[in-house]
Amino acid sequence: GAGVSQSPRYKVAKRGQDVALRCDPISGHVSLFWYQQALGQGPEFLTYFQNEAQLDKSGLPSDRFFAERPEGSVSTLKIQRTQQEDSAVYLCASAPPLTAIDYGYTFGSGTRLTVV
Amino acid sequence: AQSVSQHNHHVILSEAASLELGCNYSYGGTVNLFWYVQYPGQHLPLLLKYFSGDPLVKGIKGFEAEFIKSKFSFNLRKPSVQWSDTAEYFCAVIPPFFGNEKLTFGTGTRLTIIP
Repeated sequence: GAGVSQSPRYKVAKRGQDVALRCDPISGHVSLFWYQQALGQGPEFLTYFQNEAQLDKSGLPSDRFFAERPEGSVSTLKIQRTQQEDSAVYLCASAPPLTAIDYGYTFGSGTRLTVV
Repeated sequence: AQSVSQHNHHVILSEAASLELGCNYSYGGTVNLFWYVQYPGQHLPLLLKYFSGDPLVKGIKGFEAEFIKSKFSFNLRKPSVQWSDTAEYFCAVIPPFFGNEKLTFGTGTRLTIIP
């Protein structure tokens, strides 16, 4: 497709449940980013991949959060033993190389996670 | 320390009024600057971006922004707003660290346009 696709669009999880959020980036985009957006806040960086390599995971809030991109395209963000504070919109973005003249992030529509 | 500051949390304007939303950043050196818009339940379309060159950048939907290096600012402007501009606006920066492509966002400004 032409844009970044995220699934599911909405997810309700019981506290303690594991969840997996999927991101399909734009074809050919080498960089992929995950952001967490709490209600009324700006997006906060979680982690960043260049192809299959996870270059920066400094934003992951705890070891319950894990992201992977095994073949350098689709990425999955996994949250284990979900807590109420994990409730947020999780945004994925992809981008061509920084040196590309048309550089810019393209964001997906996000997954709204609600932990009850 | 807040690296990207958006001073206005909520701005209310009437249609046809002029708009200016403030954005300041705290990094020295060369930065890449962006404005994104977020409509309710939607993703984050890019309004405009500044990498280098002419400090006055024109974006989509009649928006523009001016990069003022001496003031560390990148304010967003529109001469005449429309009801459809009601949304959340985010300023974002890629800091000048080699190999870093991480976007850092401000906290956002909610814009409400009254018909």
